[in-house]
Amino acid sequence: QKEVEQNSGPLSVPEGAIASLNCTYSDRGSQSFFWYRQYSGKSPELIMSIYSNGDKEDGRFTAQLNKASQYVSLLIRDSQPSDSATYLCAEKRDSSYKLIFGSGTRLLVRP
Amino acid sequence: NAGVTQTPKFQVLKTGQSMTLQCAQDMNHNSMYWYRQDPGMGLRLIYYSASEGTTDKGEVPNGYNVSRLNKREFSLRLESAAPSQTSVYFCASEGTSGSGEQYFGPGTRLTVT
Repeated sequence: QKEVEQNSGPLSVPEGAIASLNCTYSDRGSQSFFWYRQYSGKSPELIMSIYSNGDKEDGRFTAQLNKASQYVSLLIRDSQPSDSATYLCAEKRDSSYKLIFGSGTRLLVRP
Repeated sequence: NAGVTQTPKFQVLKTGQSMTLQCAQDMNHNSMYWYRQDPGMGLRLIYYSASEGTTDKGEVPNGYNVSRLNKREFSLRLESAAPSQTSVYFCASEGTSGSGEQYFGPGTRLTVT
């Protein structure tokens, strides 16, 4: 079982809709979670980090963490074609420098 | 302020050749990382350096060596390239060591024939 699992997609949503991206993890020791966005042919960039159970909002993005169920999600409201990218989920234990990445979910926002 | 830079952007090697991938950051970060990214595999950590003078193995270190030359520079060396090392290589640095909030360079696309 992979440590961080994501559906590879593509997840296709119409412009203006809410895109919901999900990620599950297997290590109950994981404490910190991150969402990175990667445009095709480009490098990953950090868009959200979340450390506590519940929701964290930043503009059109909301990250949700449920440690009991071991899942993390990213909601993108009012999706735009410019949001079309691969979204990578990553987790980290407090005692470690290492980030463990999922293989990413490709999001396609249709105009 | 260039952030994280990597050279070269593209490279083609023959099996058995050696090369060094260069990475530099100008953000005064302590921690630096080397990843490889293969289709369907996500990012996998090769080596990291938590601070100047230290290096540690990541998930897939075999076939690679690293040098943390100074606080700014962290290089990755392939001593004898193999086709299985065909990949995109990313260097990253981290603002607060161990925070997980990493800044990535533009990547090096390496093909080994």
